[in-house]
Amino acid sequence: EPEVTQTPSHQVTQMGQEVILRCVPISNHLYFYWYRQILGQKVEFLVSFYNNEISEKSEIFDDQFSVERPDGSNFTLKIRSTKLEDSAMYFCASPVGGGTSTDTQYFGPGTRLTVL
Amino acid sequence: GENVEQHPSTLSVQEGDSAVIKCTYSDSASNYFPWYKQELGKGPQLIIDIRSNVGEKKDQRIAVTLNKTAKHFSLHITETQPEDSAVYFCAASWRKLTFGTGTQLKVEL
Repeated sequence: EPEVTQTPSHQVTQMGQEVILRCVPISNHLYFYWYRQILGQKVEFLVSFYNNEISEKSEIFDDQFSVERPDGSNFTLKIRSTKLEDSAMYFCASPVGGGTSTDTQYFGPGTRLTVL
Repeated sequence: GENVEQHPSTLSVQEGDSAVIKCTYSDSASNYFPWYKQELGKGPQLIIDIRSNVGEKKDQRIAVTLNKTAKHFSLHITETQPEDSAVYFCAASWRKLTFGTGTQLKVEL
């Protein structure tokens, strides 16, 4: 299975602080996704990113969230001012293919964000 | 938007028995239906998927069926083993994945 990596594995932060979560998708892929999973709940779509632009975002992805591709291989998810309810597992996913609706998405191991 | 319902929420079977998990979806535009297995503290791992031009797909002990008319799809695991114990998620996709609520499968010895 293609490998998607994420760092850090666990991030603890104080409410109101900024956090940056990092993902290295499958090599040379231009399309990737961020999802979140609150403990014990289902995985929820946050945002899709294609060729340096947001392609689609959910209602969860408000102005406190942003995504970037700071270099050729890494993607980041930034939360500007964290809230308690942002505590969750955050997964990035990399599709195998050209980003079509039927592409297989491979998930990274996730970053556990804990907001105190 | 898409809505995916998944049943049951928990499923306990004896080792060697079969397990069936069912999902329904609402958006007829969805054309890709993957199943993921998630173990504690890990990311979802794809175990099988099916596209809308296929009614059934099998990979060793795992099979998935799709009924596009009724908008439902199912996961079948035969000859269950203790290592099959995990949370299983179905998903439906039109550009992005919409997940079901998950099924906690427990395979007992």
